[in-house]
Amino acid sequence: GAVVSQHPSWVICKSGTSVKIECRSLDFQATTMFWYRQFPKQSLMLMATSNEGSKATYEQGVEKDKFLINHASLTLSTLTVTSAHPEDSSFYICSGNFRGMETQYFGPGTRLLVL
Amino acid sequence: AQKVTQAQTEISVVEKEDVTLDCVYETRDTTYYLFWYKQPPSGELVFLIRRNSFDEQNEISGRYSWNFQKSTSSFNFTITASQVVDSAVYFCALSEVYQTGANNLFFGTGTRLTVIP
Repeated sequence: GAVVSQHPSWVICKSGTSVKIECRSLDFQATTMFWYRQFPKQSLMLMATSNEGSKATYEQGVEKDKFLINHASLTLSTLTVTSAHPEDSSFYICSGNFRGMETQYFGPGTRLLVL
Repeated sequence: AQKVTQAQTEISVVEKEDVTLDCVYETRDTTYYLFWYKQPPSGELVFLIRRNSFDEQNEISGRYSWNFQKSTSSFNFTITASQVVDSAVYFCALSEVYQTGANNLFFGTGTRLTVIP
């Protein structure tokens, strides 16, 4: 199957700092990448969808100025949590698929803890 | 509107027992995909199966089998002879198909399966 990596896998930061999470498709070109957030013992909530070279489409309730998404190439998307606060602590997961590929393949996730 | 319901929040079984995870979905689309993903304690989502709305054939893959019934909008997942390594959270998901090719996934709330040795 297709492989997606995420970096870092863990990050602990102080409140007010910005954190960047990278998502890479290793063996396919991801025309679309998705960013999800998962709180403990809950389901995945879609935050935004990004197509390569276009601005991301954010789900209702997700602040685009706080969660900056860049999808500059077919293999890399980044999520930057700006001025992170403790309530942003969560598990962030990305996925990617290629146009015509019906399955989303997920990265291993990034656990963010904001102190 | 799309909705996926996994009524079973947590299930515990003893090793070697069979277990069925239920999934019921709602959609107004005639073309859609259904998925099952496994999320072990490490957190990574592992793709298990994809089914399109026109293919109601049941599928078996080793100890895993899936029963898709369009008449009841259900896509149930059975693990036979469960093993400790099957302990995980299992998510059922529904995907729409857009002209852009992007497929938004709607996840159920997940079923946490614990297999007791």
